Amino acid sequence: ETGVTQTPRHLVMGMTNKKSLKCEQHLGHNAMYWYKQSAKKPLELMFVYSLEERVENNSVPSRFSPECPNSSHLFLHLHTLQPEDSALYLCASSLSRGLDEQYFGPGTRLTVT
Amino acid sequence: AQSVAQPEDQVNVAEGNPLTVKCTYSVSGNPYLFWYVQYPNRGLQFLLKYITGDNLVKGSYGFEAEFNKSQTSFHLKKPSALVSDSALYFCAVRYGAGSYQLTFGKGTKLSVIP
Repeated sequence: ETGVTQTPRHLVMGMTNKKSLKCEQHLGHNAMYWYKQSAKKPLELMFVYSLEERVENNSVPSRFSPECPNSSHLFLHLHTLQPEDSALYLCASSLSRGLDEQYFGPGTRLTVT
Repeated sequence: AQSVAQPEDQVNVAEGNPLTVKCTYSVSGNPYLFWYVQYPNRGLQFLLKYITGDNLVKGSYGFEAEFNKSQTSFHLKKPSALVSDSALYFCAVRYGAGSYQLTFGKGTKLSVIP
């Protein structure tokens, strides 16, 4: 185990639903990340939080809304998603930035119907 | 723009043979290079990284990688492949110690044949 947990592991939702993904890290790290992993595409960085402040937002549609209430928890709120949003959503954390490696959770497999 | 390229979508190697998974990066400042592995239905696991110093970096599970500045490469290697090494391997690059942006390659699927 990497010390980063994600729930739920699998999620099926309709386009009109609202759901949230949860990530928790037990490593004492200061930075947390959301990535999207789609088939045959490189990992896409969605959001970065450092010490609970959002520091990067890579042109992600507003139907994805992140929340970082403290340095150990990260949420991704989902609403009115599209079928092309179906993917594996990965959470990661790192001690800081630059030189530090990231530790990934197991991911949430999201299917939008 | 920073980028990495993994020229092979798939690499097949016989168990016990040496393996190499290739990675090249775009030239822009001083790169920090990483290798990650992903097993089915799992997140990515950190294998090793190059920051500075010795060009040969040793990591987890017997893997190593060599930073080659003249060829802008950071190939992943292992002297003797195991069936359990079969997985998806990602190279990633970050420029600048103050950056959070980690850019990943598309991944290389390694299959070790018994």
